[in-house]
Amino acid sequence: NAGVTQTPKFRILKIGQSMTLQCTQDMNHNYMYWYRQDPGMGLKLIYYSVGAGITDKGEVPNGYNVSRSTTEDFPLRLELAAPSQTSVYFCASSDTPGTPNTEAFFGQGTRLTVV
Amino acid sequence: AQSVTQLDSQVPVFEEAPVELRCNYSSSVSVYLFWYVQYPNQGLQLLLKYLSGSTLVKSINGFEAEFNKSQTSFHLRKPSVHISDTAEYFCAVSEAWKAGGTSYGKLTFGQGTILTVHP
Repeated sequence: NAGVTQTPKFRILKIGQSMTLQCTQDMNHNYMYWYRQDPGMGLKLIYYSVGAGITDKGEVPNGYNVSRSTTEDFPLRLELAAPSQTSVYFCASSDTPGTPNTEAFFGQGTRLTVV
Repeated sequence: AQSVTQLDSQVPVFEEAPVELRCNYSSSVSVYLFWYVQYPNQGLQLLLKYLSGSTLVKSINGFEAEFNKSQTSFHLRKPSVHISDTAEYFCAVSEAWKAGGTSYGKLTFGQGTILTVHP
C-alpha cells in the first residue's frame, strides 16, 4: 500500500518557469490537500479538493492552480515561479473530515527552490 | 470559524524531563482531534487521535493527550522525553457539519511546536 506519493522530491526552478507537482493516493480518499511549509510558519493550506471535479482555495492560493480529474490524482501547478514560492510542499489525503476515519496521510514532500 | 492554536512555537527541554505541548481549538460543532509529528526532513505522521470515548488517548511511544471539552484543549504530554523525540508537533482538528442537507468537512492544522530535547 503506497499511500500518498509525491513527485519530484526536489526541484530547482528559475524565476518565471512553470512546473507541476504530482500527487497520487491509492486509498480512495475523497479529500486531498496541498500545503506549503516554511520555516517557523507551520502548514499553510494552498488548495484542497473534496472529490473528483471539485476544488477550492485555501489560505494561500495565489500563484498556484490545481485540478482533480480523478479520485487518485491532485496535481499542483505553478505557472510563473517566483522566489516567494521557495518552500516545501506537502500533499495529503483523508476520508471526509468529521468521520471516524478522517486521519490525514501525507506524502514525503517536495522541496522547491526558485532562483 | 474553526481554528487551532498551538500556544508554544518552540519548547526546549532536557532529556528525561516531562513535557507538555499545548493545543486549543475553537469549533461550534463536534470535532475529532489529532497530533501529528514531523521528524527532520520527513513528512507528517499521525501520533495519536481522539475520536470518541475515553478522553485520554495514548501513543505507542509514551505520549498521551487529553481531550478537555470545557476548555477546548487537547494538550500533548510525555512524562520523560528522549533525544529521539526531537521533532515538530502539529495539532489538528477535523469537523463536519450539515447545511441545507449537504455535508461539509474541514481539517485544520495548528502552526506547529518545535520540541528540542537536549542531553
